[in-house]
Amino acid sequence: DAGVIQSPRHEVTEMGQEVTLRCKPISGHNSLFWYRQTMMRGLELLIYFNNNVPIDDSGMPEDRFSAKMPNASFSTLKIQPSEPRDSAVYFCASSQTSWDAEAFFGQGTRLTVV
Amino acid sequence: DAKTTQPTSMDCAEGRAANLPCNHSTISGNEYVYWYRQIHSQGPQYIIHGLKNNETNEMASLIITEDRKSSTLILPHATLRDTAVYYCIVRVSGLSGAGSYQLTFGKGTKLSVIP
Repeated sequence: DAGVIQSPRHEVTEMGQEVTLRCKPISGHNSLFWYRQTMMRGLELLIYFNNNVPIDDSGMPEDRFSAKMPNASFSTLKIQPSEPRDSAVYFCASSQTSWDAEAFFGQGTRLTVV
Repeated sequence: DAKTTQPTSMDCAEGRAANLPCNHSTISGNEYVYWYRQIHSQGPQYIIHGLKNNETNEMASLIITEDRKSSTLILPHATLRDTAVYYCIVRVSGLSGAGSYQLTFGKGTKLSVIP
């Protein structure tokens, strides 16, 4: 398996534009996580899906952020409109839903909003 | 949620054992201790996890104290490629109850392996 695949790896956009980040989890994994990493706040969990259903989105910073998982092999994180403070590295991770399953992380998308 | 406390940074000589401590004094009986690491510009990587017993795999050993209030991650022969930020995490239960799974990352320990 190629692991968790994220695209794009780098994204530069202007303030106010819509940004869509994509994630393909490992086949057979039914839990998916979106994290954001900044120097100031470290790694923050944004949202967690189990069997394509959002379980906990309490980490989503505000209404400008939305995440979907239309099927078991694809998820998106959308920011509309984007702001400079959204600049960060966004990671997607997946795991099997078991009591002690390890999570596998993608390589991340580095987002810069200018 | 059980919180963890780790030193901000540590140095280790190449070839020596790296011992990374973690305090988790409020851990609950059914919570696991996980260790992940993040090498610069990469996504976090799973290392090892345990509940009560000591664990060993090809990457590291995990020593958990009998009262489970602290643990130590041991890299037996550190190499330059082990330079990374190491996160000790206690797994919290998600809102959906049994079977759910979340990882909450703290600041971690920045390990520098010195030639």
